[in-house]
Amino acid sequence: EVQLLESGGGLIQPGGSLGLSCAASGFTFSNYAMTWVRQAPGKGLEWVSGISASGGTTYYADSVKGRFTISRDNSKKTVSLQMNSLTAEDTAVYYCAKGYSTQTTAPIGSWGRGTLVTVSS
Amino acid sequence: EIVLTQSPATLSLSPGERATLSCRASQSVSGYLAWYQQKPGQAPRLLIYDASNRATGIPARFSGSGSGTDFTLTISSLEPEDFAVYYCQHRSYWPPGFGQGTRLEIK
Repeated sequence: EVQLLESGGGLIQPGGSLGLSCAASGFTFSNYAMTWVRQAPGKGLEWVSGISASGGTTYYADSVKGRFTISRDNSKKTVSLQMNSLTAEDTAVYYCAKGYSTQTTAPIGSWGRGTLVTVSS
Repeated sequence: EIVLTQSPATLSLSPGERATLSCRASQSVSGYLAWYQQKPGQAPRLLIYDASNRATGIPARFSGSGSGTDFTLTISSLEPEDFAVYYCQHRSYWPPGFGQGTRLEIK
């Protein structure tokens, strides 16, 4: 069974930094691209960042480009999202997600439970 | 950036009725369109990928159709557990954006 367990969320002041981590199990982690998707309270889904299976290619939404950095450790089966210069608009539940297939652009087949990031003074 | 527009924003139906949800893309996404269901307090669940393929374990009452810019998710006969928010998502170009969602509520 695929499991994705996010950690690292919490309350952070505007301008601060926070790192999220996602521990994966139940599949061959190194074969799949991974994604972070967020959802602001009461709002829709927003794709945030993605990383290829090897880690060699990364993708970012315009709203986070230059502030967020995605990375992965295939030996530890983890994917991380380092978030800097946070603003209130970054307040959201952040989901770690896995593709339905091994294609880099595959639709999301598995989701974590999410971790809440609240940016507020 | 491709924009996905879902309609209607809210759909009020009764169990047993047929639901038709629409997703329109601002430019062609070929057949690279997925549908997700999200219930309150839960992560989304993949229903349909590549416009018309049901994901593993998804009941046959869910079907998808369309190509290019116009796509439809159909639920043939609503069950009580189907009342939720539905999102479409394209994967044709980066970034792979989502529609704003359609809320399917009990009438």
